[in-house]
Amino acid sequence: SAVISQKPSRDICQRGTSLTIQCQVDSQVTMMFWYRQQPGQSLTLIATANQGSEATYESGFVIDKFPISRPNLTFSTLTVSNMSPEDSSIYLCSVENHQEADGYTFGSGTRLTVV
Amino acid sequence: EDQVTQSPEALRLQEGESSSLNCSYTVSGLRGLFWYRQDPGKGPEFLFTLYSAGEEKEKERLKATLTKKESFLHITAPKPEDSATYLCAVGDSGAGSYQLTFGKGTKLSVIP
Repeated sequence: SAVISQKPSRDICQRGTSLTIQCQVDSQVTMMFWYRQQPGQSLTLIATANQGSEATYESGFVIDKFPISRPNLTFSTLTVSNMSPEDSSIYLCSVENHQEADGYTFGSGTRLTVV
Repeated sequence: EDQVTQSPEALRLQEGESSSLNCSYTVSGLRGLFWYRQDPGKGPEFLFTLYSAGEEKEKERLKATLTKKESFLHITAPKPEDSATYLCAVGDSGAGSYQLTFGKGTKLSVIP
């Protein structure tokens, strides 16, 4: 299964600022996924990032708020822009393993607190 | 719209007391049903993928089963180290989507 390195693991940010989260995968993958996990809620997909094309955003998420970069097949970033306290959450990246039976691997998550 | 409901929300067990977690789902076409374990401060850790009704998979003290409407995660003689939040998710084969729809999870506490 793939191994993902995600950073930062946590951060406390001032409202109105932006934070960029990075995910590095130890193997080449076609798609990378970005999720949000709010307290007491289920994981919600923000967007799917393909190398060489614009990310595909799910309903309720927009590129201006969550710009994503995917410069190569092993790396992606998610930026949370113009943050407000409502953006306080855990953000996770994920990839689908080459062996479908191995499911999806998740990064360790970024716990973001906006004050 | 795909939906996943997990019950109970929280479960406290004595060490050695077996039980089951439930995951009810609705999906237009099931691409797979996934079980994950999540420890505090960490990302979800993959446990099982089930693809069709009647399928079962086992790993140590855990056994996952699948019907057309729900999945169960059976925990046999649990130990304190099994304490975690267990997440269920479904993948929809329709429209070429790779999205997983997650439930809110069951928080399991195993008391020594």
